Amino acid sequence: EDKVVQSPLSLVVHEGDTVTLNCSYEVTNFRSLLWYKQEKKAPTFLFMLTSSGIEKKSGRLSSILDKKELFSILNITATQTGDSAVYLCAVDCGKSTFGDGTTLTVKP
Amino acid sequence: NAGVTQTPKFQVLKTGQSMTLQCAQDMNHNSMYWYRQDPGMGLRLIYYSASEGTTDKGEVPNGYNVSRLNKREFSLRLESAAPSQTSVYFCASSALTDYEQYFGPGTRLTVT
Repeated sequence: EDKVVQSPLSLVVHEGDTVTLNCSYEVTNFRSLLWYKQEKKAPTFLFMLTSSGIEKKSGRLSSILDKKELFSILNITATQTGDSAVYLCAVDCGKSTFGDGTTLTVKP
Repeated sequence: NAGVTQTPKFQVLKTGQSMTLQCAQDMNHNSMYWYRQDPGMGLRLIYYSASEGTTDKGEVPNGYNVSRLNKREFSLRLESAAPSQTSVYFCASSALTDYEQYFGPGTRLTVT
């Protein structure tokens, strides 16, 4: 059975802090790993990773994949209150399997 | 472009009633998906359609049926609703199955 596990389940930080969210997976026929942000509505796409060791970056957010150790991390630097959301990791292996998400709360 | 649209936005059903959730996308995507999201949990795949004319079961298909009516539309049917099906339902689409997915606004379904 395909499995995606995210940690921590929740995290509370203050503005300006740097956070690292983790996603580990056990799937057959891995094709890609995707990160989404969900703010009380529909998830929105952040990154898609297919190759190990290549960092994807967008502003203060970055992500990297390790296909040997079967995990990915999502980093957010200089956090802002607008970063408060649930961050979802999904692995595509012909069909999508999502983790349960990490709830990030950024306090002013 | 409207992206992915879903109807209805909210629905309350009694146990045993049936209903169909509608989803349409205008991005010419090949693949479409139905998920449910229970409180505090991630998305669980109910059914997906990799391309027009095909549908496959996801992680939690029991109690649901789907129809890929054409390339744009993918509907989800509950034949006999149960309280365990109370959830938020999201439809999504992607160019191909391993590309990023675009989500509709969701349908909040309550079964009493």
